[in-house]
Amino acid sequence: QQQVKQSPQSLIVQKGGISIINCAYENTAFDYFPWYQQFPGKGPALLIAIRPDVSEKKEGRFTISFNKSAKQFSLHIMDSQPGDSATYFCAASIKGGAQKLVFGQGTRLTINP
Amino acid sequence: NAGVTQTPKFRVLKTGQSMTLLCAQDMNHEYMYWYRQDPGMGLRLIHYSVGEGTTAKGEVPDGYNVSRLKKQNFLLGLESAAPSQTSVYFCASSYRLARDLYGTDTQYFGPGTRLTVL
Repeated sequence: QQQVKQSPQSLIVQKGGISIINCAYENTAFDYFPWYQQFPGKGPALLIAIRPDVSEKKEGRFTISFNKSAKQFSLHIMDSQPGDSATYFCAASIKGGAQKLVFGQGTRLTINP
Repeated sequence: NAGVTQTPKFRVLKTGQSMTLLCAQDMNHEYMYWYRQDPGMGLRLIHYSVGEGTTAKGEVPDGYNVSRLKKQNFLLGLESAAPSQTSVYFCASSYRLARDLYGTDTQYFGPGTRLTVL
């Protein structure tokens, strides 16, 4: 059972456009929602994360929007650049214990110049 | 400061062979994890450890064993490899008090090991 569902699987955006990736979760015990960025041949790296007590978090061109009632959260990349081309994973974890992350399926983002 | 390193980077096994993947971290992290990454599946947790000498099962532990004899090392073993274990394996580590002190559960990932089982 996939506890975190991510869409779309792949996304192509023109340079300067807005990239939007969506995730939905089922377990209401999740209370930490990070996004990881992965370049080919590399391990994932934390990009930005949010806690459910806020509805939005922005870091530079990257914004997470969080809707607790709908159990959904999304990543917005403003002014998308070719260097943003990577695979993005949403994830979720429950507070306490071993910080076990449950990942979404991943989105391959391509930014065309 | 090398962060999280994994050995080997690539490996090809025949069905039934055994091997051990080594993960090492130099950040003095208490928690360590092993994930596998398959197309369309994201990353799935195999086993994890909350400290030296302790291990626990994750989401997909069958066919794997782990050991954490030293705080900085986390080993993943395949006793009898199967084609279904063809995957990219990632090790990660994190600081136990990360969320309390920094508000984050940041896990730092290694570069991965690409394993093919024929």
